[in-house]
Amino acid sequence: KNEVEQSPQNLTAQEGEFITINCSYSVGISALHWLQQHPGGGIVSLFMLSSGKKKHGRLIATINIQEKHSSLHITASHPRDSAVYICAHNDYKLSFGAGTTVTVRA
Amino acid sequence: DVKVTQSSRYLVKRTGEKVFLECVQDMDHENMFWYRQDPGLGLRLIYFSYDVKMKEKGDIPEGYSVSREKKERFSLILESASTNQTSMYLCASSEGQGWDGYTFGSGTRLTIV
Repeated sequence: KNEVEQSPQNLTAQEGEFITINCSYSVGISALHWLQQHPGGGIVSLFMLSSGKKKHGRLIATINIQEKHSSLHITASHPRDSAVYICAHNDYKLSFGAGTTVTVRA
Repeated sequence: DVKVTQSSRYLVKRTGEKVFLECVQDMDHENMFWYRQDPGLGLRLIYFSYDVKMKEKGDIPEGYSVSREKKERFSLILESASTNQTSMYLCASSEGQGWDGYTFGSGTRLTIV
């Protein structure tokens, strides 16, 4: 069983809609990461969270350590937000969720 | 500004061939990792290395081996390629434990026919 579970697996939204992706993990962690992977493969880090909330532009990430749950929100979504979003928790090897494929239609 | 370079973006090989995937990083990182990524399964660790000539098995090492003769280069070897090894392969490097400077390559989409 994967230590990191993401939902939904796929998500389609209309431009402008608010998007939420959820991540649950089963072990204690020091930090959780949200990653973005565009078509073509390259992966970039969006956020590293150990508590509370972080915001970068239209992206907001929250984490509840007690509930072992994190969410990534995209406000006013745009077609360029179409990507795979992955959460990962921070042991020395990293453990990854399966990813959420987000498609934003114009 | 490329920091982790994978030698091929797309590769097609035949069943039974020995396949080499190369990864080079220019950040003087200690740790290097090879993952494969499959739909619905996410990123799974194949092998990692925390020093030159050192290697550790990840979660799915069967059918693979690795080589790290120099700090900047980490090679993944498919000893006898099979169709179930068709996948996206991603290399990454990092400095310390966890996420210190964790950087991914652009990936190699390998198809075994």
